Amino acid sequence: QVQLQQSGPRLVEPSQTLSLTCVISVDSVSSASAAWNWIRQSPSRGLEWLGATYYRSKWYTGYADSVKSRIIINPDTSKNQFSLLLNSVTPEDAAVYYCVRSTGAFDHWGQGTLVTVSS
Amino acid sequence: QSVLTQPPSASGTPRQRVTISCSGSRSNIGSNTVSWYQHLPGTAPQLLIFSDNQRPSGVPDRFSGSKSGTSASLAISGLQSEDEAVYYCAAWDDSLSGRWVFGGGTKLTVL
Repeated sequence: QVQLQQSGPRLVEPSQTLSLTCVISVDSVSSASAAWNWIRQSPSRGLEWLGATYYRSKWYTGYADSVKSRIIINPDTSKNQFSLLLNSVTPEDAAVYYCVRSTGAFDHWGQGTLVTVSS
Repeated sequence: QSVLTQPPSASGTPRQRVTISCSGSRSNIGSNTVSWYQHLPGTAPQLLIFSDNQRPSGVPDRFSGSKSGTSASLAISGLQSEDEAVYYCAAWDDSLSGRWVFGGGTKLTVL
């Protein structure tokens, strides 16, 4: 059973960078049939896809236009994990963040990290 | 404002059949497959339906999905108390740079 284990700070100061990591078990970040996504959920914005990274002979990333200027999703093959960096955060970025595997649909989710943006 | 439109709430009594709708457009539901998720409080969403009408192993056959044009539906038959949850639809959207889009969620209450 694929497992995704998230880690990272739950409190981020405004204008700083949100950083989360997702360790993958029983699958590979280099899988040719999966994509590795970050999705967030907040009362005001509902479920929002932020972006993904995937390997198809080479690495690709795709980002939502809403965060494109502030986001980086990086795979780390040595640790079989992927990460989220979201810079210049504001209170609007407060949400539960999930790392999620997709193989046509979002079939495995991390446990979620509630991130608060506050000084 | 979610790209896919779902009713905010639905309800039914035990053993009843309920359906939840999800309305989109040509660039998402009209062009790509729909998936459905069940979200219980304090847990991560769980995949219920993929590719419009396919169930992952372990999902009871009480759950079924369908799609027509730019709309999709989730049906739950033989409603049980443990089905009380929030249900979301999702699809890939070909507009802009391409992105996944979700419905706003439907809170199902088992009366």
